[in-house]
Amino acid sequence: DSGVTQTPKHLITATGQRVTLRCSPRSGDLSVYWYQQSLDQGLQFLIQYYNGEERAKGNILERFSAQQFPDLHSELNLSSLELGDSALYFCASSVSPDDYGYTFGSGTRLTVV
Amino acid sequence: GEDVEQSLFLSVREGDSSVINCTYTDSSSTYLYWYKQEPGAGLQLLTYIFSNMDMKQDQRLTVLLNKKDKHLSLRIADTQTGDSAIYFCAESTPGDYKLSFGAGTTVTVRA
Repeated sequence: DSGVTQTPKHLITATGQRVTLRCSPRSGDLSVYWYQQSLDQGLQFLIQYYNGEERAKGNILERFSAQQFPDLHSELNLSSLELGDSALYFCASSVSPDDYGYTFGSGTRLTVV
Repeated sequence: GEDVEQSLFLSVREGDSSVINCTYTDSSSTYLYWYKQEPGAGLQLLTYIFSNMDMKQDQRLTVLLNKKDKHLSLRIADTQTGDSAIYFCAESTPGDYKLSFGAGTTVTVRA
């Protein structure tokens, strides 16, 4: 157990739907990162939050959004889902934004049918 | 990521050493990392090296960095079946807190 908790572990949904992925960072970590892992794109950085504020944005589609709440948990919202959104979504956390190497959760596997 | 390249597959005999190679393009990279991903699991940080270092050793793991050639390698001594996994090389650059990952090297340990 890495200390980073992601729920749900698996999600199957239909095209056009909206889902919410949840992440609880490791205790004491203020920074949360979201990554997407797919066969064709590999691991892609989506977005980073630090203590509730957005710090960096990567290859995140406009249909996707995220936030970090006062209790530091984060949610990634994916809407108007397409088949190509099927992937493993990882959350990671670190103490601070410039912490070397962060701790990953075990991921949420999203399947869009 | 397109900035970090790795070979895709490596097969090694149990007890031998494994060497996984990685090249990166960003000369301002500050830290370089090796992560391990086992089936159905997240990424586990194995080790990292700061860009002003040439080598780092941690038990069975040895990381070598050739900054001139932008080449990073991970050597696993006495490879065991539990070392079968995907190994990712990653880099970070100053002021850019995301990690750029390679495509991953699938290591298969055969008896």
